[in-house]
Amino acid sequence: QKEVEQDPGPLSVPEGAIVSLNCTYSNSAFQYFMWYRQYSRKGPELLMYTYSSGNKEDGRFTAQVDKSSKYISLFIRDSQPSDSATYLCAIGGYQKVTFGTGTKLQVIP
Amino acid sequence: KAGVTQTPRYLIKTRGQQVTLSCSPISGHRSVSWYQQTPGQGLQFLFEYFSETQRNKGNFPGRFSGRQFSNSRSEMNVSTLELGDSALYLCASSLGSGTINEQFFGPGTRLTVL
Repeated sequence: QKEVEQDPGPLSVPEGAIVSLNCTYSNSAFQYFMWYRQYSRKGPELLMYTYSSGNKEDGRFTAQVDKSSKYISLFIRDSQPSDSATYLCAIGGYQKVTFGTGTKLQVIP
Repeated sequence: KAGVTQTPRYLIKTRGQQVTLSCSPISGHRSVSWYQQTPGQGLQFLFEYFSETQRNKGNFPGRFSGRQFSNSRSEMNVSTLELGDSALYLCASSLGSGTINEQFFGPGTRLTVL
């Protein structure tokens, strides 16, 4: 079993839709939860970073963590074509980060 | 503030050759990590350097090695290249100890092995 599981997609939604991206993890020692966005031919860009259960909001993006279920989500409201990218979840412990394989999202105008 | 830079951006090599990739972290960042990214495996951790010392290592063969210089710049080397080494190699920097979770990535070096 992989330490971090992420649905690879691809996920295709119309502009303006709410997008939900999810990851599960197996190691309860993980303490830090990140979401990265990666555009084609670019390096990943840190989007959201949290270390507690609950929700963290930043503009149109909300990161949700449920430590009891070992489940994290990223919600994108009012999705835009510019949100089309691959989204990677990353789960971290002390000096170690494990990435999901990424979900490719396409937002259709 | 300049971001993480990686050189070269693209490389084409043949099997059996060796390659050296370079990474310059964000100014003030002392930790540099290297990752291999492939469509099937996603982002796989290679190693992390902090203050010129390898602090963490992933599950890759000894053909993959790296080093860090006193100015925090880092290089990684792959010897005896194999077809399966074709990938995007990403470098990420962070401030230092305990901050590996807040990493900033460079654009990557795309290596093609023929």
